[in-house]
Amino acid sequence: KNEVEQSPQNLTAQEGEFITINCSYSVGISALHWLQQHPGGGIVSLFMLSSGKKKHGRLIATINIQEKHSSLHITASHPRDSAVYICAVRNTLIQGAQKLVFGQGTRLTINP
Amino acid sequence: EPEVTQTPSHQVTQMGQEVILRCVPISNHLYFYWYRQILGQKVEFLVSFYNNEISEKSEIFDDQFSVERPDGSNFTLKIRSTKLEDSAMYFCASSSLSGAFNEQFFGPGTRLTVL
Repeated sequence: KNEVEQSPQNLTAQEGEFITINCSYSVGISALHWLQQHPGGGIVSLFMLSSGKKKHGRLIATINIQEKHSSLHITASHPRDSAVYICAVRNTLIQGAQKLVFGQGTRLTINP
Repeated sequence: EPEVTQTPSHQVTQMGQEVILRCVPISNHLYFYWYRQILGQKVEFLVSFYNNEISEKSEIFDDQFSVERPDGSNFTLKIRSTKLEDSAMYFCASSSLSGAFNEQFFGPGTRLTVL
């Protein structure tokens, strides 16, 4: 079983729609990252959070530690939001563990 | 804004050849990482490096792989004898702190193609 599961795997929506991408994890974590990967392959960090909610522009990330679940929301989606969105967690309950464990990504396509 | 850089952006090599992938982490960062992503698959951890030694490595990181920080600015990943299955995107990352709240910054990646 994967430690980090994302849903949906693929999502197509019309410009302006509200988008939600979900991430569930099975290990104890201290931090969760949302990352964006564009078609060229580069990875950009969007959020790092360990509790509650963070907002940056049209992006909102929430996490529920008890339920081991996080969501990434995009309001007023735009074609330039089209990318792969990746959830990754760090399990620092393991001594010295610095690595990120990644989900498989959600491919988002926003049509004009 | 400081960023992690990687060279080359694309490397094509023959099976059995050695390759060195280069990364320049953000200058005041102390923790360095290599990840890889085989086409169509998720990103996987390879190795983390701190204080001039490996702090953690995955089962992927076998004797064919090595890392080095040769001059205080570059951080390299060497694959001694490449295999077809080493074809992937390789990402370098760095962070300034250890512990729960450090953020890792990623480079743009090197696409390695082994023929």
